[in-house]
Amino acid sequence: KAGVTQTPRYLIKTRGQQVTLSCSPISGHRSVSWYQQTPGQGLQFLFEYFSETQRNKGNFPGRFSGRQFSNSRSEMNVSTLELGDSALYLCASSPEGANYGYTFGSGTRLTVV
Amino acid sequence: AQSVTQPDIHITVSEGASLELRCNYSYGATPYLFWYVQSPGQGLQLLLKYFSGDTLVQGIKGFEAEFKRSQSSFNLRKPSVHWSDAAEYFCAVGAREYGNKLVFGAGTILRVKS
Repeated sequence: KAGVTQTPRYLIKTRGQQVTLSCSPISGHRSVSWYQQTPGQGLQFLFEYFSETQRNKGNFPGRFSGRQFSNSRSEMNVSTLELGDSALYLCASSPEGANYGYTFGSGTRLTVV
Repeated sequence: AQSVTQPDIHITVSEGASLELRCNYSYGATPYLFWYVQSPGQGLQLLLKYFSGDTLVQGIKGFEAEFKRSQSSFNLRKPSVHWSDAAEYFCAVGAREYGNKLVFGAGTILRVKS
């Protein structure tokens, strides 16, 4: 069974630009979550999608958004990038949610210059 | 508010020695508990999870963890550490009542000396 696939692995963007990150969950998993990992703040929850609906959202500004498609693939978008958005962005999938545990992808390393 | 504490930022053990990584949580609902491991530049790999039942859970790579409700703890153990276990370990807590998000501890970096 293929794992969680995130693309691209690395990105370098300029302040003010926007970026879209992609996540393909494990086949059959309907819940997809996104996390931001930084040295200073650790792992922080961004949002969770289930069957194309956002079920929960973390404490991030509106510049961070996401969506989920009918095949469960998910994208997250960050607009008007700031230097502080530099981080490892991790996607995780689960059959239904926390009660099943989450499988994480390898992440997308975003660097904002 | 939900919180997870991993008191040890760094731990160094000799290869072959036993290991215990501590995790304490504060959670209003009945929690689901997880341990993940992360190698540099990689994602998180699930080591083990606890939902209910037997409070001693076995995971991959020879790891086990014990849930102690009275102490709000979920410590990770391994009887004999291998050099390949050097990585960062994260304890995480989740609950359906809190929207399925995982709350992570700050992580413990394990160093293994030969």
